[in-house]
Amino acid sequence: KAGVTQTPRYLIKTRGQQVTLSCSPISGHRSVSWYQQTPGQGLQFLFEYFSETQRNKGNFPGRFSGRQFSNSRSEMNVSTLELGDSALYLCASSGRVADTEAFFGQGTRLTVV
Amino acid sequence: GENVEQHPSTLSVQEGDSAVIKCTYSDSASNYFPWYKQELGKGPQLIIDIRSNVGEKKDQRIAVTLNKTAKHFSLHITETQPEDSAVYFCAASKRGTLTFGKGTMLLVSP
Repeated sequence: KAGVTQTPRYLIKTRGQQVTLSCSPISGHRSVSWYQQTPGQGLQFLFEYFSETQRNKGNFPGRFSGRQFSNSRSEMNVSTLELGDSALYLCASSGRVADTEAFFGQGTRLTVV
Repeated sequence: GENVEQHPSTLSVQEGDSAVIKCTYSDSASNYFPWYKQELGKGPQLIIDIRSNVGEKKDQRIAVTLNKTAKHFSLHITETQPEDSAVYFCAASKRGTLTFGKGTMLLVSP
């Protein structure tokens, strides 16, 4: 059974640009969550999608957005990039029911210069 | 919102010793408590979890305990091995949103 796949693995962008990250969940999983990981703030919840609907949202500015497609694949977008957006962005997939096992991908390392 | 405190931030043990990592949470509505292991360059890997209606769960060398009244839960690793060296995160979940502790770097020396 394939795990959670995130693309690309590494990304370098310039301040002011925008970026789109992709996540393919485990087959059959319908919930996809996104987290930002930085040395200073640790792992912070961005948002969760279930059946193409945003079900939960963390405390991040509106520059951070996401969406989920009918095949459960998800994308997150960050517009007007800032240096502080440099982080490891992690996607996690879980099953139909809330509060069940969440499995993470390897992450996308975003560097903003 | 939920707040999860994790201690210690670093833990060094000798191979074969036991390691204990402790977490406290603030929101009594949290009902699911997973633990993750993260190795360098990789995403967090789920190693064990516990639900609020269970007090203890064990899987080979790893065990987790939960005290709902005190709002704390702990990870116990027995007979540690060098390959256990990694960063460990606890988390508390309510309605599918995970709130993580800051992590514990565990170093197991041969």
